[in-house]
Amino acid sequence: DTEVTQTPKHLVMGMTNKKSLKCEQHMGHRAMYWYKQKAKKPPELMFVYSYEKLSINESVPSRFSPECPNSSLLNLHLHALQPEDSALYLCASSAGTSVYEQYFGPGTRLTVT
Amino acid sequence: EDQVTQSPEALRLQEGESSSLNCSYTVSGLRGLFWYRQDPGKGPEFLFTLYSAGEEKEKERLKATLTKKESFLHITAPKPEDSATYLCAVPGPNNAGNMLTFGGGTRLMVKP
Repeated sequence: DTEVTQTPKHLVMGMTNKKSLKCEQHMGHRAMYWYKQKAKKPPELMFVYSYEKLSINESVPSRFSPECPNSSLLNLHLHALQPEDSALYLCASSAGTSVYEQYFGPGTRLTVT
Repeated sequence: EDQVTQSPEALRLQEGESSSLNCSYTVSGLRGLFWYRQDPGKGPEFLFTLYSAGEEKEKERLKATLTKKESFLHITAPKPEDSATYLCAVPGPNNAGNMLTFGGGTRLMVKP
């Protein structure tokens, strides 16, 4: 089973709201990722968690706050977002942090009004 | 600087018309190259990993090949359901295994 699940599928939030995106995998993978994807562009890496510790933060604004409660779960907490943050947010996982293929979830379509 | 370039940006084919998508890269000591398929509004679906020049992998109508400078995704007798964006990616930047440098993608449309 190579499934990564994400909730919610769609999210509309105002600029003053606080919301969270959730991601789950049960493949025993030890690395998990958050990506942001704008229309007709490839995914852009935001964060990497390796063995439940944040290992890479690609200079993402502090209004995005990642959390890895355990090896299967990854959250992305959102606060005071801007309209330009509207995008498809993708979670991915891989077996480790060497050269392994990443498996992506279906994404959360976020609209900031 | 690591670069991954895909061509063409968009490709329209008639059903059954075979073609190839290109992914060229400038990475020294390539440690792997990945192909993904992405349908609109969905996450990328993993297709293949290629590790060394000369390697080939196949899945249904798709065959991926790798040389020292580029990879090709050959689509044989495509069907409308093959319509999607195809992305290639390499580890990096700097061959970092836990990061991916993506190409810009090729949007494939197969008409019946």
